[in-house]
Amino acid sequence: AQSVAQPEDQVNVAEGNPLTVKCTYSVSGNPYLFWYVQYPNRGLQFLLKYITGDNLVKGSYGFEAEFNKSQTSFHLKKPSALVSDSALYFCAVRDESSGGYNKLIFGAGTRLAVHP
Amino acid sequence: AAGVIQSPRHLIKEKRETATLKCYPIPRHDTVYWYQQGPGQDPQFLISFYEKMQSDKGSIPDRFSAQQFSDYHSELNMSSLELGDSALYFCASSSRQGENGYTFGSGTRLTVV
Repeated sequence: AQSVAQPEDQVNVAEGNPLTVKCTYSVSGNPYLFWYVQYPNRGLQFLLKYITGDNLVKGSYGFEAEFNKSQTSFHLKKPSALVSDSALYFCAVRDESSGGYNKLIFGAGTRLAVHP
Repeated sequence: AAGVIQSPRHLIKEKRETATLKCYPIPRHDTVYWYQQGPGQDPQFLISFYEKMQSDKGSIPDRFSAQQFSDYHSELNMSSLELGDSALYFCASSSRQGENGYTFGSGTRLTVV
């Protein structure tokens, strides 16, 4: 079965420091991976995706993610965190088992808290 | 650019009542997905439609039904509402089986009292 795991419930980082939000995946075949951010009482906003190509993917708001096939990871990173980055972050993988109409499967989410 | 539109934004219903949530996908997107996100939970897949036909089914209760219409908008019908149905309900749309990404609406917050 396809799945993603976010091992950290919460990540705390000081403003200006680099941040990493971890995600590992389990899929059969090549993964399609996504990161979304959710602010309180808001919808899911797309940050970036990996389909194929360069392992380092650049996305919105200065975020990037590194696809690592050997470690089956897709960690989200940002060189310098902002207080406004504080939110809930979801990693997701496209389900390849549903006959071609591929829903997203989400991780449990990681709450990022950036302190001034 | 047009986004996924969901209505209503907020809905309060009493137990055993019925609710209908609507979703208008991005133009030319052929697939609609419904998700339920409980408090402090990750989004759980309910059901999806491709070209107006149900394409996949997740953990959707039998009390819920959904359909996609000729104009590609979708409606999620929820009957005999229970307190546990209180959640944020998201709709997402995609084209080309998600290769171009998935766009989510802002969600409908359903509160059952």
